[in-house]
Amino acid sequence: RKEVEQDPGPFNVPEGATVAFNCTYSNSASQSFFWYRQDCRKEPKLLMSVYSSGNEDGRFTAQLNRASQYISLLIRDSKLSDSATYLCVVRPGGGATNKLIFGTGTLLAVQP
Amino acid sequence: EAGVTQFPSHSVIEKGQTVTLRCDPISGHDNLYWYRRVMGKEIKFLLHFVKESKQDESGMPNNRFLAERTGGTYSTLKVQPAELEDSGVYFCASRGPAETQYFGPGTRLLVL
Repeated sequence: RKEVEQDPGPFNVPEGATVAFNCTYSNSASQSFFWYRQDCRKEPKLLMSVYSSGNEDGRFTAQLNRASQYISLLIRDSKLSDSATYLCVVRPGGGATNKLIFGTGTLLAVQP
Repeated sequence: EAGVTQFPSHSVIEKGQTVTLRCDPISGHDNLYWYRRVMGKEIKFLLHFVKESKQDESGMPNNRFLAERTGGTYSTLKVQPAELEDSGVYFCASRGPAETQYFGPGTRLLVL
């Protein structure tokens, strides 16, 4: 079983749509959670951290359910520029390395 | 502020040859990470430096991979001898005192 599981998609949505991505993680001791965005043939870039209380940044809302080991990302009013791969990323607990564990990513294509 | 840089951007080598990848972290970042994405798989952690010391090298696939960070500035990752399964994108990331890791653009390695 992968440590971080995501639906690979692709998700094809029209502009203006609301789209939700889900992710589960296997290590219950995981400490930090993130969504990264990766454009085609580019590096991953931090989109937002995910907190237990849920957090919002403009059109993006992230939620964490520790009991279910489940993370979500909601994008409202999708723009063409939102087209990218969205990576669910977890930092396991323990140790001082702060290494990141990545899901395979969910591909989003926003259509005009 | 300059971001993380990696060199070369692409490398095509034959099986059995040696390749050395370089990463220059963001100035002042003590933490430097190497990750790799092979075709169709998720990005995976290789190792973590704190300054010039290896903090965690649990992700290194085998002893054909050698990473160094002499002087605690830039890092190199050498693959010797390269095998077909080493093909992929090698990302470097750096981190300061905060949690966020900043990724470089990656080196695309193709072993023929």
